Amino acid sequence: QQPVQSPQAVILREGEDAVINCSSSKALYSVHWYRQKHGEAPVFLMILLKGGEQKGHEKISASFNEKKQQSSLYLTASQLSYSGTYFCGTGDFGNEKLTFGTGTRLTIIP
Amino acid sequence: NAGVTQTPKFRILKIGQSMTLQCTQDMNHNYMYWYRQDPGMGLKLIYYSVGAGITDKGEVPNGYNVSRSTTEDFPLRLELAAPSQTSVYFCASSYSQQYEQYFGPGTRLTVT
Repeated sequence: QQPVQSPQAVILREGEDAVINCSSSKALYSVHWYRQKHGEAPVFLMILLKGGEQKGHEKISASFNEKKQQSSLYLTASQLSYSGTYFCGTGDFGNEKLTFGTGTRLTIIP
Repeated sequence: NAGVTQTPKFRILKIGQSMTLQCTQDMNHNYMYWYRQDPGMGLKLIYYSVGAGITDKGEVPNGYNVSRSTTEDFPLRLELAAPSQTSVYFCASSYSQQYEQYFGPGTRLTVT
């Protein structure tokens, strides 16, 4: 089943923070996060693995709650370049494929 | 290092025609994937492969076929194109589920 992302869309002013959530009905082994700009291919942001540490770089970080089968992506002090659609991709143990979420459209305005 | 390349970039097909979408990667990845993305929607897995000679169905395989004779290439075949196959098709590759997927630039297909 497809992971559910929330919110579906959000509009922020430059410098504000955002949180994007990804929930699955299945036990998770890995969660991937990708960003896709209009007309382009998805670009990798980060991976979180079961039992692993919270990942992050610069002003984008993520967490993985195995019990709740959820992951959250945190964007701090958002920049115009953060605009795009964010997708989570979830994988369960022993399964070599990802199931991508419904997407969250993030718009940053000056 | 070109990464993942896809051809063609754009294609218009008439209903009932067939075509092959090409995908090549030069990163020596064993895992390769084909996704379709309808306007405003997420990525749906069509087929995937964990190595040369091994392929498996994803969520939406009907109307498509794949083959994987080499590590580098993973072509997607559309037989008897239908308007419902109008979409953007992305090929991706990775070392495994635990590693990032690298996406090609996509093929925009219209079936009329």
